[in-house]
Amino acid sequence: AQSVTQPDIHITVSEGASLELRCNYSYGATPYLFWYVQSPGQGLQLLLKYFSGDTLVQGIKGFEAEFKRSQSSFNLRKPSVHWSDAAEYFCAVGDTDKLIFGTGTRLQVFP
Amino acid sequence: DVKVTQSSRYLVKRTGEKVFLECVQDMDHENMFWYRQDPGLGLRLIYFSYDVKMKEKGDIPEGYSVSREKKERFSLILESASTNQTSMYLCASKQGNSPLHFGNGTRLTVT
Repeated sequence: AQSVTQPDIHITVSEGASLELRCNYSYGATPYLFWYVQSPGQGLQLLLKYFSGDTLVQGIKGFEAEFKRSQSSFNLRKPSVHWSDAAEYFCAVGDTDKLIFGTGTRLQVFP
Repeated sequence: DVKVTQSSRYLVKRTGEKVFLECVQDMDHENMFWYRQDPGLGLRLIYFSYDVKMKEKGDIPEGYSVSREKKERFSLILESASTNQTSMYLCASKQGNSPLHFGNGTRLTVT
């Protein structure tokens, strides 16, 4: 069955610390991969996407993600977190028709 | 920039009422989607549409229907609202391989 797992429900980091949010998936073929961010009361905003090619992709707001086929993972990283990064983050996988979303990771940032 | 507009940010309805959630996109996208978002469950696909007057069931269509009479507008209908349909509803659109573009959501409370 197709699925997306975000094992961390809630992560707390200090401002300036590095960040890694985990995403693992189960999918029949190589999927399209996405990370979205949702600020309170808002819709989802695309951070980055992977379709093919270089497995390290750069996104907005200083985020990057690495596709590892052997581990079925697409982890999101940021070298130095800012207080404004506090939000909920969703990993999604799928094809051109529709996406499957993970359950989200809520990021809290302490000053 | 793509704009997906959901007509209501907050709605409060009574059990048994017929509820319409409206979504409009301004980029001539062919594909439109309705998701519901619940804590700990992430986003779950209710219905989607590839074209005018076409609709496909998502993962949780029970209790919902949709209407797409014009390309830019995709309506979600709760025929007889129930308390378990209290949720955040997110509309999204896309074209081809492009990522999903989301509206800001409608928070529906059914009492």
